[in-house]
Amino acid sequence: GESVGLHLPTLSVQEGDNSIINCAYSNSASDYFIWYKQESGKGPQFIIDIRSNMDKRQGQRVTVLLNKTVKHLSLQIAATQPGDSAVYFCAEKLTGFQKLVFGTGTRLLVSP
Amino acid sequence: DAGVTQSPTHLIKTRGQQVTLRCSPKSGHDTVSWYQQALGQGPQFIFQYYEEEERQRGNFPDRFSGHQFPNYSSELNVNALLLGDSALYLCASSWVGTGKMYGYTFGSGTRLTVV
Repeated sequence: GESVGLHLPTLSVQEGDNSIINCAYSNSASDYFIWYKQESGKGPQFIIDIRSNMDKRQGQRVTVLLNKTVKHLSLQIAATQPGDSAVYFCAEKLTGFQKLVFGTGTRLLVSP
Repeated sequence: DAGVTQSPTHLIKTRGQQVTLRCSPKSGHDTVSWYQQALGQGPQFIFQYYEEEERQRGNFPDRFSGHQFPNYSSELNVNALLLGDSALYLCASSWVGTGKMYGYTFGSGTRLTVV
């Protein structure tokens, strides 16, 4: 069935550290992946996306890595700041469909 | 440029009542998707509208229905509300080009509480 899961429910880091949030997906037919950040009481905010024909994509302070062999996705945040504290979701889109399948999320806590 | 806007932001309804939630997509987007997010969970897909038709549907009962208007805005209707319908309802807009999805953007959601 469809499932997108996260290895760690909570990740605690110090300000300035690099953070890595991991995600496992089960459907090899997924062709598009998005990372979202969600703060309390707000909707998911787009961070970065990657299509299945890529292995890596970089944004401002963020990098997404896709390993299709083991169906693994990761989000790397450089020089993590207190403002990065939130719940992070990975989401996948199956080929031929337009809906996103979300996991349960990882909470990132950044201490000053 | 306004993003995805949803109204109302909060709503309290009584069990058995009906509710209508509204969504205006981001400028340039023609597709609207609705999600339900229970507390502590990831969003769950309800359905998607494109060209004023429901294109895909998730595992939700017929009590959940929707509509898309010619200006691409959309409504989500829920009938015979249950306590379990209490959740954050999210609208996302996007556009499809050459078979690919672009710009999947969420609104801030409507917090529905059923009492």
